[in-house]
Amino acid sequence: DSGVTQTPKHLITATGQRVTLRCSPRSGDLSVYWYQQSLDQGLQFLIQYYNGEERAKGNILERFSAQQFPDLHSELNLSSLELGDSALYFCASSPRDRSYNEQFFGPGTRLTVL
Amino acid sequence: GDSVTQMEGPVTLSEEAFLTINCTYTATGYPSLFWYVQYPGEGLQLLLKATKADDKGSNKGFEATYRKETTSFHLEKGSVQVSDSAVYFCALTPGGGSNYKLTFGKGTLLTVNP
Repeated sequence: DSGVTQTPKHLITATGQRVTLRCSPRSGDLSVYWYQQSLDQGLQFLIQYYNGEERAKGNILERFSAQQFPDLHSELNLSSLELGDSALYFCASSPRDRSYNEQFFGPGTRLTVL
Repeated sequence: GDSVTQMEGPVTLSEEAFLTINCTYTATGYPSLFWYVQYPGEGLQLLLKATKADDKGSNKGFEATYRKETTSFHLEKGSVQVSDSAVYFCALTPGGGSNYKLTFGKGTLLTVNP
């Protein structure tokens, strides 16, 4: 158990809908990362927050957004969903913002868009 | 940009065989290097890491050495077990800047037969 929790574990929805994925980092970790894992794209970085502020963006679509709250939990919002958004979404946390820091991954949320 | 190339699988071995999974990277400066493992239905777990040239990371019988001259971080284990069956990802974080996202290889599926 990494100490990172993600809810829900599975999500099935229809095209055009909006969903929210939730992540609670390990206690004391300030940095939260979101990654998308799909068969064709592999593991791709989406976005990072550090202590409530957006730190970096990767291959994140404009239909997607995220935020980190004062209690450090984070939410990833996916809207106008398309079939291609079906994937496993991972959240990871690390203590501080350092290159050598290990990132601890949650179990993921499997999103299926029908 | 940064990239990681790892040998394509799947790799199938018999128990007690020797394992090598090749990984090379392209990055500016001095990245930190990681091997993560993903067991079926689970999130990613850090297997080992190395943060500077010539460092050797090791864990659970797995080893990898950070070779800057060949930009490589090959994973090895002397005697694999059935329980090592999983997907292995080589990854890096950049050595400079302020965005320490992980850049992953495509993953190598390892199956160990009894």
